[in-house]
Amino acid sequence: KQEVTQIPAALSVPEGENLVLNCSFTDSAIYNLQWFRQDPGKGLTSLLLIQSSQREQTSGRLNASLDKSSGRSTLYIAASQPGDSATYLCAVRANAGGTSYGKLTFGQGTILTVHP
Amino acid sequence: GAGVSQSPSNKVTEKGKDVELRCDPISGHTALYWYRQRLGQGLEFLIYFQGNSAPDKSGLPSDRFSAERTGESVSTLTIQRTQQEDSAVYLCASSPQAGVGETQYFGPGTRLLVL
Repeated sequence: KQEVTQIPAALSVPEGENLVLNCSFTDSAIYNLQWFRQDPGKGLTSLLLIQSSQREQTSGRLNASLDKSSGRSTLYIAASQPGDSATYLCAVRANAGGTSYGKLTFGQGTILTVHP
Repeated sequence: GAGVSQSPSNKVTEKGKDVELRCDPISGHTALYWYRQRLGQGLEFLIYFQGNSAPDKSGLPSDRFSAERTGESVSTLTIQRTQQEDSAVYLCASSPQAGVGETQYFGPGTRLLVL
């Protein structure tokens, strides 16, 4: 059974700092890995998706890396801003097969607070 | 266009009562997913629909939980005889197909509190 763990559970930083969020998963047979942002009272917003054959993806101040063999991913946020405050969720998608199409396994999230 | 919508946004109920949660997927999306998020936890997969059938119900926590989908559109998640441990945010997502390469689009969730 796939298990996804995120560290730290919570993080509070001053504005402008660079920071790293960590995600680990137990089964390396994944199709892709995705980072989401969750704001209170709103749905999840997809930030970055890394296919299993890829090493990293970048979008603006965000960079996500994937080391499938070791079961790890990191989300790097550069020059953090108060508007980055949210819960960040990591999710892995199982390979095709059986009835597991599209099934995502989520970590418990990292609550990020960026204060001015 | 319109995204995934869910209703109600908040629901408070008494232990032992039945509740129904509704999800309206993006029009034309054939796959629909239900997840549960307990306080401080990640999302737990409950069930997914391809059309009106549910190939994977493996995440439903007990027989008090059931879901249906009609017209390849609206889905209803029903919880019978609610318990306090059912308190959570219930999130729905949809995707054009059910394939592994498909992006899932999430609704805002229904926050359920069982007293």
